[in-house]
Amino acid sequence: DGGITQSPKYLFRKEGQNVTLSCEQNLNHDAMYWYRQDPGQGLRLIYYSQIVNDFQKGDIAEGYSVSREKKESFPLTVTSAQKNPTAFYLCASSIRNEADTQYFGPGTRLTVL
Amino acid sequence: ILNVEQSPQSLHVQEGDSTNFTCSFPSSNFYALHWYRWETAKSPEALFVMTLNGDEKKKGRISATLNTKEGYSYLYIKGSQPEDSATYLCAFLNYGGSQGNLIFGKGTKLSVKP
Repeated sequence: DGGITQSPKYLFRKEGQNVTLSCEQNLNHDAMYWYRQDPGQGLRLIYYSQIVNDFQKGDIAEGYSVSREKKESFPLTVTSAQKNPTAFYLCASSIRNEADTQYFGPGTRLTVL
Repeated sequence: ILNVEQSPQSLHVQEGDSTNFTCSFPSSNFYALHWYRWETAKSPEALFVMTLNGDEKKKGRISATLNTKEGYSYLYIKGSQPEDSATYLCAFLNYGGSQGNLIFGKGTKLSVKP
C-alpha cells in the first residue's frame, strides 16, 4: 500500500529532552511537510522540504530541526528549546510543491511531562 | 500576516439536510485553494485543489466553488449522511508575497445526526 506512516502514535517526553518523530512515505513524492496542530488553531507549518538535502523553515520552526537525507524520510526533532512542545504533529507529502494535493500521515501526539 | 477564515466553526444537521460552509482568504496574489476532510482518528484527506476563478469541482455529493476576486470558496454537501461528519479544512496558497506556504483555516466541524 502506498502512503505515509508516522511513528509513534503517542509519545511522552520529559521536559528538557530532545525527541525525534518519524515520517516515511513510499509515494515517490518530492515534497514533504511537518505541521503542528494546537486546540482551536489551524495547522501551522514547521518545516518543509522540496528535495533531498534541502529544507526551509515554516512559520513556527523555532525549537525544531529536520533532515532530509532520503527522499522517503523526513524526521522531525523537537528540541528542548521548543517552549511548548505538547501538540499533535502531522507529516504530509505532495508530488512537487505546496500547489499540489497533500497526503497526510496519521499524526503523532507528543506530550511533555 | 495572511489569514484564512472558515465559517461556521461548527454545524449540526440532520441526515438528508444539505449544507454549506465558507472559506475566506486574501484576494491578492491568489495561487491555489485546497479543501480537506478530516475525520476523527483518521488522516486529513484531500477533496479539491482549485486554482481558477469561477472553478467548480464535484466529488459525489460534495462540491465546491471558488471566487478569487472576492476571496471566498464555498463547500456544499447535498443530502448529508452521518459518514460526512468530519472537520472540513480549507488552505490558501498565495503566489509570491510574504508567505509561500499553505495557510490553513481552523476548520468547520460538521456533525450529521441520523
